[in-house]
Amino acid sequence: DADVTQTPRNRITKTGKRIMLECSQTKGHDRMYWYRQDPGLGLRLIYYSFDVKDINKGEISDGYSVSRQAQAKFSLSLESAIPNQTALYFCATSDWGGTGTTDTQYFGPGTRLTVL
Amino acid sequence: GNSVTQMEGPVTLSEEAFLTINCTYTATGYPSLFWYVQYPGEGLQLLLKATKADDKGSNKGFEATYRKETTSFHLEKGSVQVSDSAVYFCALMNARQLTFGSGTQLTVLP
Repeated sequence: DADVTQTPRNRITKTGKRIMLECSQTKGHDRMYWYRQDPGLGLRLIYYSFDVKDINKGEISDGYSVSRQAQAKFSLSLESAIPNQTALYFCATSDWGGTGTTDTQYFGPGTRLTVL
Repeated sequence: GNSVTQMEGPVTLSEEAFLTINCTYTATGYPSLFWYVQYPGEGLQLLLKATKADDKGSNKGFEATYRKETTSFHLEKGSVQVSDSAVYFCALMNARQLTFGSGTQLTVLP
């Protein structure tokens, strides 16, 4: 079984609709992340959470919100979807090993979202 | 701020050819550096990493050395295989966040 799962894997929706993308992990990691991937732009950070009560905005948080329901679950919502939010969305997790160590992030398979 | 610049693709090589994908970065402080690989239809997988200057990361025949003097982390492999066809991302970790390059598409022909 995959350590980081995302649902749905594909979604087509219309402008103005509310959409929720879900991420679950079985790695026991405290830290979770949401990224979007656009052709030619690499991945950009939307939101990240270092524990259930710690939520932080990333580089491109406008138009998105998140919810950390439990250590293992981190959801991304688009309150009113617009076409330029069409992208591939990735969830990731990491576990901090302590001062002087470096996080390694583990990625889910992605959700392809199309907003018409 | 932090930024990563990668060699633009796509790159097409014949099997057993030598591979170099260039990566340079701009960052404050002392970032950690990573290469991730994305196979078709999949998420990103960590390929290798280096956490301080002169460290060499290696995995699956790929290598990259953290060069602080040239702010570079170029990816190399001596003999590529068809199964290495994927998109490769250079990234840096600084201030608790990963910053990615734009990715380089590699296609290896038999």
